[in-house]
Amino acid sequence: EVLLVESGGGLVQPGGSLRLSCAASGFTVSTNYMSWVRQAPGKGLEWVSIIYSGGTTYYADSVKGRFTISRDDSRNRLYLQLNSLRLEDTAVYYCARTPERLPKYWGQGTLVTVSS
Amino acid sequence: QSVLTQPPSASGTPGQRVTISCSGSSSNIGSNYVYWYQQLPGTAPKVLIYRNNQRPSGVPDRFSGSKSGTSASLAISGLRSEDEADYYCAAWDDSLSGVVFGGGTKLSVL
Repeated sequence: EVLLVESGGGLVQPGGSLRLSCAASGFTVSTNYMSWVRQAPGKGLEWVSIIYSGGTTYYADSVKGRFTISRDDSRNRLYLQLNSLRLEDTAVYYCARTPERLPKYWGQGTLVTVSS
Repeated sequence: QSVLTQPPSASGTPGQRVTISCSGSSSNIGSNYVYWYQQLPGTAPKVLIYRNNQRPSGVPDRFSGSKSGTSASLAISGLRSEDEADYYCAAWDDSLSGVVFGGGTKLSVL
């Protein structure tokens, strides 16, 4: 069974940093495409980033240069490093297994709140 | 402003058939698969349709997807109260090198 569990969310001040983690089970992260998707309170879904099995990464323009997606193959985990956080980055962040570059299996999400 | 365009709301009565549209362009829907998601209040999205018209195991056959050119649609037949949720379409966009979502459609079962 595919299971994704995010952690690392919390309250952070504008300009601050946070690292989100996604623990995967039931499959191997390194051989799959993996993504992060976020949802601001009361808003729709917004794609954030993807990492291919070969290591290629892509980012939404809204986070390019501030966020970094990575993975730890030995721990079967996906990460998202969030730097230079802004108020508008407040959202629930979902980790997803994306076999055809589109999210198919989702975690339960972790809330990031950027506030002073 | 979302890259994929969906109606913000839709409604129907129990037993009815409703359709939700999703309009895009040649760089996304026109050249890539469309997925549809259902999001119940307070929960993570769940995939309803993948590869334009395929249902994952466990998704009732009341849900069906189709695609034509640069548009796609989700049909729900035999509407039930538990279908009240937000529905999103998504596709990979070759020009943006990223996933684009529709703005979401809130379905009400009257």
